[in-house]
Amino acid sequence: EVQLLESGGGLAQPGGSLRLSCAVSGFTLRNYGMTWVRQAPGKGLEWVSAISDTGTVIYYADSVKGRFTISRDNSKNTLYLLMKSLRADDTAVYYCARAFDSGDSYPYDWGRGTLVTVSS
Amino acid sequence: QSVLTQPPSASGTPGQRVTISCSGTSSSIGGNYVNWYQQLPGTAPKLLIYKNNQRPSGVPDRFSGSKSGSSASLAISGLRSEDEADYYCAAWDHNLSGVMFGGGTKLTVL
Repeated sequence: EVQLLESGGGLAQPGGSLRLSCAVSGFTLRNYGMTWVRQAPGKGLEWVSAISDTGTVIYYADSVKGRFTISRDNSKNTLYLLMKSLRADDTAVYYCARAFDSGDSYPYDWGRGTLVTVSS
Repeated sequence: QSVLTQPPSASGTPGQRVTISCSGTSSSIGGNYVNWYQQLPGTAPKLLIYKNNQRPSGVPDRFSGSKSGSSASLAISGLRSEDEADYYCAAWDHNLSGVMFGGGTKLTVL
């Protein structure tokens, strides 16, 4: 069974940093692209970032470019999202998701999400 | 404002057929496939349709997707109360180099 478990969310101050992790099981991480998607309270879905199977191809939404860094450790079956210079509008539930195949960027299988709150 | 445009709401009675539209551009839907997601209240999104019209295993055949030009649609036939949820379309956008989501459609089963 495919499982994705996000962690690392919590309260951060404006201008602060957080690192989210997504531990996966039930599939071989190195064979799949991975994505992060977020959802602000009461709002719709917003794609954040995607990374190819080997980590060589990376995309970011304009809203997070230069502040967020996606990475992966296939040997640890874990995806990461390092978030810096956090702003109030980064407050959201962050979902990690497996893509369809190695080079895909669309989310297919989703985790349950982790809540990030940016507030002083 | 989302790159992909969906109606904010839709409704139907049990047993009816409902369609939800998703309008994009040549750089998004016009040149890439569309996925559809269902989000039940308080839960994570779930893939409903992938690559325009493919259903993952476990998704009932009451759900179907189609694409024509720069628009796509999701059809739900034999509407059931458990279909009450938010529905999102998504497509890659070449100009923005990212996956774009529609604003979501809240489906109410009357």
